[in-house]
Amino acid sequence: EDQVTQSPEALRLQEGESSSLNCSYTVSGLRGLFWYRQDPGKGPEFLFTLYSAGEEKEKERLKATLTKKESFLHITAPKPEDSATYLCAVPPDSSNTGKLIFGQGTTLQVKP
Amino acid sequence: DTEVTQTPKHLVMGMTNKKSLKCEQHMGHRAMYWYKQKAKKPPELMFVYSYEKLSINESVPSRFSPECPNSSLLNLHLHALQPEDSALYLCASGGTSGDPDTQYFGPGTRLTVL
Repeated sequence: EDQVTQSPEALRLQEGESSSLNCSYTVSGLRGLFWYRQDPGKGPEFLFTLYSAGEEKEKERLKATLTKKESFLHITAPKPEDSATYLCAVPPDSSNTGKLIFGQGTTLQVKP
Repeated sequence: DTEVTQTPKHLVMGMTNKKSLKCEQHMGHRAMYWYKQKAKKPPELMFVYSYEKLSINESVPSRFSPECPNSSLLNLHLHALQPEDSALYLCASGGTSGDPDTQYFGPGTRLTVL
């Protein structure tokens, strides 16, 4: 069964304390892995698409990496404004239907 | 520009009301989506339109009726909703030849059913 699991469920960091969020997936024919940031009451904001193992993408303090079984979102020297829920998603292992399987998200809180 | 717009931002309606949610994108995306999101849960797919035709209906109750008037617009017509339908409704668009799967979300409509 296609599945996406994110860990940890919640993460509290002090400002400047770097860490990583994990997204593991069981889709065999990966067509892409997507990271989103979501602030409370708002729509998910697209961050990255990763297509193949070994690929890395960066944006400000965020760096996303991909292996054959999981993806990491590394946050370097986070600031309070990085506090949000981070979602990862993959298309299911079927024909191109437009569906995405979302993980449950990691809620990040960065304290000053 | 990767902007998807949604109106209204907030909507309060009674169980006998009829209302509509609107979504617009001008990125030339071939697919548009409606999602429902409850608190502390990921978005849940409701409908997918591909090239202006309904391609996926995730067994959504008939009190939700989608419409795609053209490639840039997507509506969700609401009628006789229940209080448990209160949620954040998200529109998304995506699908280009070079990037078929990435979806871009709008800001959402916060719906409250009384």
